[in-house]
Amino acid sequence: EDKVVQSPLSLVVHEGDTVTLNCSYEVTNFRSLLWYKQEKKAPTFLFMLTSSGIEKKSGRLSSILDKKELFSILNITATQTGDSAVYLCAVDRVYNAGNMLTFGGGTRLMVKP
Amino acid sequence: NAGVTQTPKFRILKIGQSMTLQCAQDMNHNYMYWYRQDPGMGLKLIYYSVGAGITDKGEVPNGYNVSRSTTEDFPLRLELAAPSQTSVYFCASSHPGPPYNEQFFGPGTRLTVL
Repeated sequence: EDKVVQSPLSLVVHEGDTVTLNCSYEVTNFRSLLWYKQEKKAPTFLFMLTSSGIEKKSGRLSSILDKKELFSILNITATQTGDSAVYLCAVDRVYNAGNMLTFGGGTRLMVKP
Repeated sequence: NAGVTQTPKFRILKIGQSMTLQCAQDMNHNYMYWYRQDPGMGLKLIYYSVGAGITDKGEVPNGYNVSRSTTEDFPLRLELAAPSQTSVYFCASSHPGPPYNEQFFGPGTRLTVL
């Protein structure tokens, strides 16, 4: 059975801290891994990773994929209160006539002032 | 562009009632999806479509139906609503080609079945 597991489930830090969010997966027909940020509404796209070892960066956020060990990490440096959200990891895989995303349960991050 | 739009934003149903959740996108995306998100959980795929006239089941299709008569619209039908269908429903769309499957999500519909 395909699964995507995120850890930790939740995290509370103070502004300025660095956090590392984890995502491990076991899926068939892997195509890519995506990270989303979800505040009170719909998920918004952060990164898509297709190759091992290539770090994607966007400001204070960065992510890397290890296709051999089947995991990805999302790092956030110098956290701010605006980083408080649920972070979702999803694996894109071939599925029947199309493709689908299998989501992990998310990591809820709270950044305190 | 409005992106992906969903109506209604909120709805309360009684057990056994039916309703249709509307979803539309103006990005000319071939692929469209319906997900549900239960409290504290990730998203689970209900149905998806790879183009007008083509739909297929996802992970949790029971109790739902879809149709795709146009590229823009992808309504989700709930027949005989049950409390287990209380959830937030997200519609999404994507272009099938590279970059692989970056999905754009609508704002969601919060449904409560009492």
